[in-house]
This record gives sequence, C-alpha cells and structure tokens, in this order.
Amino acid sequence: EAEVAQSPRYKITEKSQAVAFWCDPISGHATLYWYRQILGQGPELLVQFQDESVVDDSQLPKDRFSAERLKGVDSTLKIQPAELGDSAMYLCASSGAGGPREQYFGPGTRLTVT
Amino acid sequence: QKEVEQNSGPLSVPEGAIASLNCTYSDRVSQSFFWYRQYSGKSPELIMSIYSNGDKEDGRFTAQLNKASQYVSLLIRDSQPSDSATYLCAVSTGTGTYKYIFGTGTRLKVLA
Repeated sequence: EAEVAQSPRYKITEKSQAVAFWCDPISGHATLYWYRQILGQGPELLVQFQDESVVDDSQLPKDRFSAERLKGVDSTLKIQPAELGDSAMYLCASSGAGGPREQYFGPGTRLTVT
Repeated sequence: QKEVEQNSGPLSVPEGAIASLNCTYSDRVSQSFFWYRQYSGKSPELIMSIYSNGDKEDGRFTAQLNKASQYVSLLIRDSQPSDSATYLCAVSTGTGTYKYIFGTGTRLKVLA
C-alpha cells in the first residue's frame, strides 16, 4: 500500500540550531502539504505545493521557515533558527489531482526544541 | 468564529454503543468533508470522506452531511476500546487550489 514517507521520526535540537525535515509523497500525488500540529489542536497548514510550485504559504513564518519541492516529488522543510515555540509534530500529507480529494498523512516528525 | 468547530470532549461511551461525533463549519461553499482518526502520538489516519448530502456508510462508520445546516457527523456503531482516539473533522474549500481546514478534534473514550 502506497504511503507518505517522512524522516526523521523524532528530532531533538537546541534553540538557535537549524533543523530539516524530509517528505516523500505517495507516487503520482501532485499536491503536497506541510502541517504543524500542536498538542490538543488540529493540524495547521504551513505550506502547500502543486507540483514544484508553492500555492499557499500564507501561514509559513518566512523569517525562519523555508520549504522546497525542487523536482515536484519529495520536499524539505527547514527551520533556522529553531525556537522553543517550534516544538510540535510536523506532518506531511499528499493528495491526487482533480478536485478536493482525500489527503493522506505521513507518520510525522516530532520536534522538541530545548 | 472558528472555521471548523468540534467539541473537544472527552466523549465517553460504553463498549458496544454508538458514538456520535459532530462538526460544524462556517464556509458555506465548502465542498468536501473528511474524518480522520488520530491515536495519541501518531499521525491522522483517513477513515471517511463525504461529498454530497446524506449518509455514507463504511463498515461500522457512517458519515452524515447536511450542507444546508453546515453540519457533518460521524457515527461509530458497536464501539470498541480500540476506537478510543481523537477524531478530526476536515473541510475542503476553494477552487483549483483546495485548502483543508481541520477542527481541533473530539477525544473519544470507549469504556470496556
């Protein structure tokens, strides 16, 4: 069964350090999403890609966060420098083309900033 | 007003009972509706999608949609302790580029 892959699964970093997360969507899925989920809340969209293009990054803190999907397949989300408030679960999801279809999540990366 | 609202719970039901989870949304032009199950420390898992008014059944799960009332619900029949989790409602809006808005989730506890 096709799945969204993410790595690492867990990351502990000190504040002011740089951290990067990787996501490989389900094969053939054109749309890729990065979400941040804080305990007790629903996922909140950080950035959405359609193929290699960003279609929504309105909630991405651009002074410290960046995201890319250079070849329209896998994607990297970076935080530099990390802050204590960035501690959260970072989720990647993908969906197929042709309408508001089902969105499938990867296992997530649990980030702890100390 | 939040775009997608859910009661945070916890909703406690005895094993074998029907669990009823509710969700309301504010964007009247929302097109697609999804229910996700999320176990503690895990990522959301899609369990139901519904696109038109009425009921959609899949095994022990039934999703119900009423666009006029901007209301979507999830019924879980014969609830099992393994159903204990947080259930997230998600709503998709937009044209061309679809945006998914999530509620904060309802925590369900099925008591053995």
